[in-house]
Amino acid sequence: GENVEQHPSTLSVQEGDSAVIKCTYSDSASNYFPWYKQELGKRPQLIIDIRSNVGEKKDQRIAVTLNKTAKHFSLHITETQPEDSAVYFCAASKGASGTYKYIFGTGTRLKVLA
Amino acid sequence: DVKVTQSSRYLVKRTGEKVFLECVQDMDHENMFWYRQDPGLGLRLIYFSYDVKMKEKGDIPEGYSVSREKKERFSLILESASTNQTSMYLCASRRTGGGEQYFGPGTRLTVT
Repeated sequence: GENVEQHPSTLSVQEGDSAVIKCTYSDSASNYFPWYKQELGKRPQLIIDIRSNVGEKKDQRIAVTLNKTAKHFSLHITETQPEDSAVYFCAASKGASGTYKYIFGTGTRLKVLA
Repeated sequence: DVKVTQSSRYLVKRTGEKVFLECVQDMDHENMFWYRQDPGLGLRLIYFSYDVKMKEKGDIPEGYSVSREKKERFSLILESASTNQTSMYLCASRRTGGGEQYFGPGTRLTVT
């Protein structure tokens, strides 16, 4: 069935360093890939998303890259700050709208060390 | 500002009890979702609804049912709670036209 693998499960970086989280999806029909951030005790919130007609998207310190051939996509956070510490979830979907469901990865706990 | 609320933040129930978890959104979203979140397993979809009275099974529907009688409200029902249903339950909503899936604050359910 549909599956999204996410690595690593935990990641510790020094403040100011970069962090990279990688996801691989199984369904080649997937064409929408959002990333959610969940701070401790809070609800997940969308931080960035990418559609399959785009190879890269950037928003300030956050960027997402997509390799459709290899069926994987990655989240890149540059110049990490303590407030970036959270659990990050990737997801894949066959569409961004309509009745399409998201398949989420298992999450990455990012710790930014001051 | 989208607001998704859930009826309880914490809930403790006994094995065999019938449990109702309610979710309400105020943005007229057509799509609503129920997930459970467990450490190391991420967010797993239980059921979703793309319109009033419509429902679709997600990846782990066993032991659960849902009800969507009004557009703003989506209920998750545990017919006979079991200890393996102890978890964090998250509701979400999204408009059919696409965009962010907005999550509620979650209900931490403990079944003893």
